[in-house]
Amino acid sequence: NAGVMQNPRHLVRRRGQEARLRCSPMKGHSHVYWYRQLPEEGLKFMVYLQKENIIDESGMPKERFSAEFPKEGPSILRIQQVVRGDSAAYFCASSPADRAQPQHFGDGTRLSIL
Amino acid sequence: AQSVTQPDIHITVSEGASLELRCNYSYGATPYLFWYVQSPGQGLQLLLKYFSGDTLVQGIKGFEAEFKRSQSSFNLRKPSVHWSDAAEYFCAVGALEQGGKLIFGQGTELSVKP
Repeated sequence: NAGVMQNPRHLVRRRGQEARLRCSPMKGHSHVYWYRQLPEEGLKFMVYLQKENIIDESGMPKERFSAEFPKEGPSILRIQQVVRGDSAAYFCASSPADRAQPQHFGDGTRLSIL
Repeated sequence: AQSVTQPDIHITVSEGASLELRCNYSYGATPYLFWYVQSPGQGLQLLLKYFSGDTLVQGIKGFEAEFKRSQSSFNLRKPSVHWSDAAEYFCAVGALEQGGKLIFGQGTELSVKP
């Protein structure tokens, strides 16, 4: 009964490179949320997706960031041309179709930008 | 705007002592309320949730929380703290009206003295 799986756990990129973060939701969950946690801060909502649809991207930076949740495969959070300020922990959460159910979180991807 | 405030950034308690972590929220609609715990380098684990009904909710690891609408609070309590409870605790609010995304407080770091 696997939980939310995120990979990689740690990712190091140089400025200007691309970062791809993956998230496989819990079995039976069709809703995926991405959050970012900057050092010494709480989690900030980034984007909410269902299969093949972006439902709410109000927390996504306007440039360089994108997310998808294809019909097959994991959800991907993509950061292009990374900068030092992108260094953070990125968490994925999933929930079932009944949005009254709580979200379950993965262990996160720690992104470091050199 | 919706917000969650955890007034205490860091709390230290002695092992065996009681604990109360404060959480206040600002939200126009009926909120769903959550407490999550995060150990260093780990993801978030759900301690308990309030959706409706009884305002005193029981969670895992001996934690409980009480929803007080008049005070817009959802404080977390534990009668006797164990050394393993040392972690970061996050209060979060969500609502169906906002698509299920969670708004988190800044977190309270709990240290436990022997």
